[in-house]
Amino acid sequence: DAEITQSPRHKITETGRQVTLACHQTWNHNNMFWYRQDLGHGLRLIHYSYGVQDTNKGEVSDGYSVSRSNTEDLPLTLESAASSQTSVYFCASSPGQASNTGELFFGEGSRLTVL
Amino acid sequence: AQSVTQPDIHITVSEGASLELRCNYSYGATPYLFWYVQSPGQGLQLLLKYFSGDTLVQGIKGFEAEFKRSQSSFNLRKPSVHWSDAAEYFCAVGASGGATNKLIFGTGTLLAVQP
Repeated sequence: DAEITQSPRHKITETGRQVTLACHQTWNHNNMFWYRQDLGHGLRLIHYSYGVQDTNKGEVSDGYSVSRSNTEDLPLTLESAASSQTSVYFCASSPGQASNTGELFFGEGSRLTVL
Repeated sequence: AQSVTQPDIHITVSEGASLELRCNYSYGATPYLFWYVQSPGQGLQLLLKYFSGDTLVQGIKGFEAEFKRSQSSFNLRKPSVHWSDAAEYFCAVGASGGATNKLIFGTGTLLAVQP
Protein backbone atom coordinates (compact mmCIF):
# COMPACT_ATOMS: atom_id res chain seq x y z
CA ASP A 1 0.00 0.00 0.00
CA ALA A 2 1.11 3.53 -0.72
CA GLU A 3 2.03 5.51 2.34
CA ILE A 4 3.85 8.48 3.81
CA THR A 5 6.58 7.90 6.38
CA GLN A 6 8.46 10.24 8.64
CA SER A 7 11.79 9.70 10.38
CA PRO A 8 12.90 9.88 13.04
CA ARG A 9 9.69 9.58 15.05
CA HIS A 10 11.39 11.00 18.12
CA LYS A 11 14.50 13.13 18.40
CA ILE A 12 16.22 15.08 21.15
CA THR A 13 18.83 17.62 20.16
CA GLU A 14 20.68 20.59 21.58
CA THR A 15 20.28 24.26 20.83
CA GLY A 16 22.32 25.33 17.82
CA ARG A 17 22.58 21.93 16.15
CA GLN A 18 21.33 21.26 12.65
CA VAL A 19 18.47 18.79 12.44
CA THR A 20 16.83 17.17 9.43
CA LEU A 21 13.45 15.46 9.52
CA ALA A 22 12.76 13.12 6.64
CA CYS A 23 9.47 12.65 4.81
CA HIS A 24 8.95 10.03 2.12
CA GLN A 25 5.72 9.28 0.24
CA THR A 26 4.99 6.52 -2.22
CA TRP A 27 1.74 7.91 -3.67
CA ASN A 28 3.57 9.86 -6.38
CA HIS A 29 1.85 13.01 -5.12
CA ASN A 30 3.04 16.31 -6.52
CA ASN A 31 2.20 18.37 -3.41
CA MET A 32 3.97 17.97 -0.09
CA PHE A 33 3.65 19.99 3.11
CA TRP A 34 5.26 20.38 6.51
CA TYR A 35 3.19 21.47 9.51
CA ARG A 36 4.07 21.90 13.14
CA GLN A 37 1.58 21.19 15.90
CA ASP A 38 1.64 23.08 19.18
CA LEU A 39 -0.87 23.39 22.01
CA GLY A 40 -3.21 26.28 21.42
CA HIS A 41 -2.05 26.77 17.83
CA GLY A 42 -3.28 23.67 16.05
CA LEU A 43 -1.34 22.92 12.88
CA ARG A 44 0.64 25.69 11.28
CA LEU A 45 2.16 25.47 7.82
CA ILE A 46 5.95 25.71 7.68
CA HIS A 47 6.88 25.02 4.04
CA TYR A 48 5.29 23.36 1.06
CA SER A 49 6.15 22.17 -2.42
CA TYR A 50 4.04 21.74 -5.55
CA GLY A 51 6.61 19.67 -7.40
CA VAL A 52 10.28 18.93 -7.96
CA GLN A 53 12.49 21.98 -7.49
CA ASP A 54 9.51 24.00 -6.17
CA THR A 55 9.42 25.20 -2.55
CA ASN A 56 7.33 27.86 -0.82
CA LYS A 57 7.24 29.46 2.61
CA GLY A 58 4.28 28.95 4.92
CA GLU A 59 3.17 31.05 7.86
CA VAL A 60 5.97 29.94 10.25
CA SER A 61 8.96 29.36 7.98
CA ASP A 62 11.67 31.27 9.88
CA GLY A 63 14.48 28.93 10.95
CA TYR A 64 13.38 26.13 8.60
CA SER A 65 14.26 25.12 5.06
CA VAL A 66 13.19 22.41 2.62
CA SER A 67 14.40 21.07 -0.70
CA ARG A 68 12.60 18.97 -3.29
CA SER A 69 14.97 17.01 -5.50
CA ASN A 70 12.51 14.22 -6.35
CA THR A 71 8.77 13.55 -6.12
CA GLU A 72 8.94 11.22 -3.13
CA ASP A 73 10.91 13.24 -0.55
CA LEU A 74 10.64 16.60 1.20
CA PRO A 75 13.19 16.81 4.04
CA LEU A 76 12.77 19.59 6.59
CA THR A 77 15.96 21.14 7.96
CA LEU A 78 16.35 23.23 11.08
CA GLU A 79 19.61 25.08 10.41
CA SER A 80 20.28 25.97 14.05
CA ALA A 81 17.74 24.43 16.39
CA ALA A 82 16.11 26.64 19.02
CA SER A 83 14.00 25.70 22.05
CA SER A 84 11.03 27.40 20.38
CA GLN A 85 11.20 24.71 17.71
CA THR A 86 10.33 21.97 20.18
CA SER A 87 7.15 20.62 18.61
CA VAL A 88 5.51 17.76 16.78
CA TYR A 89 6.10 17.95 13.05
CA PHE A 90 3.75 16.48 10.47
CA CYS A 91 4.43 15.85 6.83
CA ALA A 92 1.50 15.58 4.43
CA SER A 93 0.89 15.18 0.73
CA SER A 94 -1.87 15.66 -1.83
CA PRO A 95 -2.22 14.63 -5.47
CA GLY A 96 -1.75 18.02 -7.08
CA GLN A 97 -3.93 17.48 -10.09
CA ALA A 98 -6.61 19.78 -11.45
CA SER A 99 -9.29 17.72 -9.71
CA ASN A 100 -7.49 18.01 -6.38
CA THR A 101 -9.82 18.95 -3.54
CA GLY A 102 -6.96 19.72 -1.19
CA GLU A 103 -7.41 16.59 0.92
CA LEU A 104 -4.18 15.87 2.73
CA PHE A 105 -2.65 12.52 3.63
CA PHE A 106 -0.59 12.69 6.79
CA GLY A 107 2.43 10.94 8.21
CA GLU A 108 2.46 9.87 11.85
CA GLY A 109 4.55 12.80 13.02
CA SER A 110 8.03 13.46 14.37
CA ARG A 111 8.40 14.70 17.93
CA LEU A 112 11.39 17.02 18.27
CA THR A 113 12.76 18.24 21.58
CA VAL A 114 15.40 20.98 21.60
CA LEU A 115 17.25 21.27 24.90
CA ALA B 1 -7.00 35.49 3.75
CA GLN B 2 -8.81 32.37 4.79
CA SER B 3 -9.00 31.37 8.44
CA VAL B 4 -10.72 28.81 10.66
CA THR B 5 -12.04 29.21 14.19
CA GLN B 6 -12.88 26.36 16.52
CA PRO B 7 -14.34 28.08 19.57
CA ASP B 8 -14.28 25.07 21.88
CA ILE B 9 -10.83 24.01 23.04
CA HIS B 10 -12.04 21.11 25.16
CA ILE B 11 -15.40 19.29 25.29
CA THR B 12 -16.49 16.43 27.54
CA VAL B 13 -19.54 14.31 26.72
CA SER B 14 -20.97 11.12 28.17
CA GLU B 15 -20.86 7.95 26.14
CA GLY B 16 -24.07 7.63 24.15
CA ALA B 17 -24.77 11.35 24.17
CA SER B 18 -24.92 13.44 21.03
CA LEU B 19 -22.02 15.61 19.94
CA GLU B 20 -21.61 18.84 18.03
CA LEU B 21 -18.22 20.44 17.41
CA ARG B 22 -18.24 23.97 16.06
CA CYS B 23 -16.23 25.34 13.17
CA ASN B 24 -16.44 28.79 11.60
CA TYR B 25 -14.44 29.84 8.59
CA SER B 26 -13.54 33.02 6.83
CA TYR B 27 -13.22 32.94 3.08
CA GLY B 28 -14.67 35.08 0.30
CA ALA B 29 -15.69 32.35 -2.10
CA THR B 30 -17.08 28.85 -1.69
CA PRO B 31 -14.56 27.04 0.46
CA TYR B 32 -13.42 23.49 0.51
CA LEU B 33 -14.02 22.27 4.08
CA PHE B 34 -12.64 19.32 5.97
CA TRP B 35 -12.79 17.64 9.34
CA TYR B 36 -9.82 15.57 10.50
CA VAL B 37 -9.43 13.45 13.63
CA GLN B 38 -6.21 12.80 15.50
CA SER B 39 -5.97 9.94 17.99
CA PRO B 40 -3.22 10.19 20.61
CA GLY B 41 0.24 9.73 19.10
CA GLN B 42 -1.14 9.41 15.60
CA GLY B 43 -1.31 11.44 12.45
CA LEU B 44 -4.49 13.05 11.17
CA GLN B 45 -7.20 11.04 9.47
CA LEU B 46 -9.86 12.54 7.23
CA LEU B 47 -13.40 12.23 8.64
CA LEU B 48 -15.29 14.02 5.89
CA LYS B 49 -15.10 16.83 3.37
CA TYR B 50 -17.34 19.29 1.56
CA PHE B 51 -16.67 21.04 -1.71
CA SER B 52 -20.00 21.17 -3.56
CA GLY B 53 -23.51 19.72 -3.73
CA ASP B 54 -25.52 18.56 -0.74
CA THR B 55 -24.67 20.69 2.27
CA LEU B 56 -25.03 17.75 4.66
CA VAL B 57 -22.09 15.41 4.23
CA GLN B 58 -21.57 12.00 5.75
CA GLY B 59 -18.22 10.75 6.88
CA ILE B 60 -16.59 7.77 8.45
CA LYS B 61 -17.32 6.48 11.97
CA GLY B 62 -20.88 7.79 11.90
CA PHE B 63 -19.95 11.48 11.73
CA GLU B 64 -21.70 14.10 9.63
CA ALA B 65 -21.25 17.81 9.05
CA GLU B 66 -23.45 20.55 7.65
CA PHE B 67 -22.20 23.46 5.58
CA LYS B 68 -24.15 26.66 6.31
CA ARG B 69 -23.01 29.46 4.05
CA SER B 70 -25.12 32.10 5.83
CA GLN B 71 -23.38 31.33 9.11
CA SER B 72 -19.93 30.53 7.64
CA SER B 73 -20.05 27.32 9.62
CA PHE B 74 -19.25 23.67 9.13
CA ASN B 75 -20.19 21.96 12.39
CA LEU B 76 -19.42 18.30 13.01
CA ARG B 77 -22.08 16.08 14.59
CA LYS B 78 -22.57 12.56 15.82
CA PRO B 79 -25.84 11.29 17.30
CA SER B 80 -24.29 8.86 19.81
CA VAL B 81 -20.68 9.11 20.94
CA HIS B 82 -18.55 6.04 21.63
CA TRP B 83 -15.59 5.92 24.01
CA SER B 84 -13.31 5.37 21.01
CA ASP B 85 -14.26 8.82 19.67
CA ALA B 86 -12.08 10.47 22.31
CA ALA B 87 -9.52 12.35 20.21
CA GLU B 88 -8.65 15.78 18.89
CA TYR B 89 -10.69 17.12 16.01
CA PHE B 90 -9.51 19.67 13.48
CA CYS B 91 -11.51 21.70 11.02
CA ALA B 92 -9.68 22.92 7.91
CA VAL B 93 -10.46 25.17 4.95
CA GLY B 94 -8.96 25.10 1.49
CA ALA B 95 -8.95 28.17 -0.72
CA SER B 96 -10.01 26.47 -3.91
CA GLY B 97 -9.66 23.34 -5.89
CA GLY B 98 -6.97 22.73 -8.39
CA ALA B 99 -3.47 21.48 -8.37
CA THR B 100 -2.05 24.02 -5.93
CA ASN B 101 -4.53 23.85 -3.09
CA LYS B 102 -3.37 24.01 0.52
CA LEU B 103 -5.25 23.82 3.80
CA ILE B 104 -5.48 26.13 6.79
CA PHE B 105 -6.35 24.42 10.07
CA GLY B 106 -8.20 25.51 13.17
CA THR B 107 -6.67 25.14 16.62
CA GLY B 108 -8.53 21.91 17.32
CA THR B 109 -11.11 20.65 19.82
CA LEU B 110 -10.11 17.97 22.29
CA LEU B 111 -12.97 15.56 22.95
CA ALA B 112 -13.14 13.55 26.17
CA VAL B 113 -15.77 10.83 26.58
CA GLN B 114 -17.05 9.90 30.03
CA PRO B 115 -18.28 6.34 30.66
